[in-house]
Amino acid sequence: EIVLTQSPEFQSVTPKKKVTITCRASQSIGSSLHWYQQKPDQSPKLLIKYASQSISGVPSRFSGSGSGTDFTLTINSLEAEDAATYYCHQSDSGWTFGQGTKVEIK
Amino acid sequence: QVQLQESGPGLVKPSQTLSLTCTVSGGSISSENYYWSWIRQHPGKGLEWIGYIYYSGSTYYNPSLKSRVTISVDTSKNQLSLKLRSVTAADTAAYYCARGNYYDSSGNFRAPPAYWGQGILVTVSS
Repeated sequence: EIVLTQSPEFQSVTPKKKVTITCRASQSIGSSLHWYQQKPDQSPKLLIKYASQSISGVPSRFSGSGSGTDFTLTINSLEAEDAATYYCHQSDSGWTFGQGTKVEIK
Repeated sequence: QVQLQESGPGLVKPSQTLSLTCTVSGGSISSENYYWSWIRQHPGKGLEWIGYIYYSGSTYYNPSLKSRVTISVDTSKNQLSLKLRSVTAADTAAYYCARGNYYDSSGNFRAPPAYWGQGILVTVSS
């Protein structure tokens, strides 16, 4: 099973600051890495697919990068509505998810 | 706009079978453009893939659950179903159904699910 490890697990950030979340895979997964946002009592929302491909309707402040084993989700200019838990997800071999990164607004 | 709605018992006894249904509206579950999946989330925890099914009927399951899981489609009712046998307290979770594109606009095969149901909490307890 491919293990995804996210860091940090928690971030408290001031609005308008940049947020960076990393996801490391236990083996190379090419670009088969996706990012979801989940707010309390809601289902996950797809933000980025295949490491860096944007999703229609998702604000442009969300971007992704990386390949192989190391990936990054960046939120430029954090807004209050971005308070959520963010998960990375790989679909290269079966499916697994990272443990999540909770982003809190200071 | 497609909508997915999970339904089923919120309480299941240990050793019994958990049976859930996902009703799809706004689109056909038999479309060859999509595949359908189940994902669960233990209380306060992360996400765990259960399995998915293609329009052809082919199924793929999480190896850790494979011996207990069956995912199927009822095209006459436009519903996806999940059966999880011999449940224990460890199966207590919110269960989500989700839809992904078989091929997306960029040509990616089995793109990650963009449409999810609201989820249903199932508690396993006597």
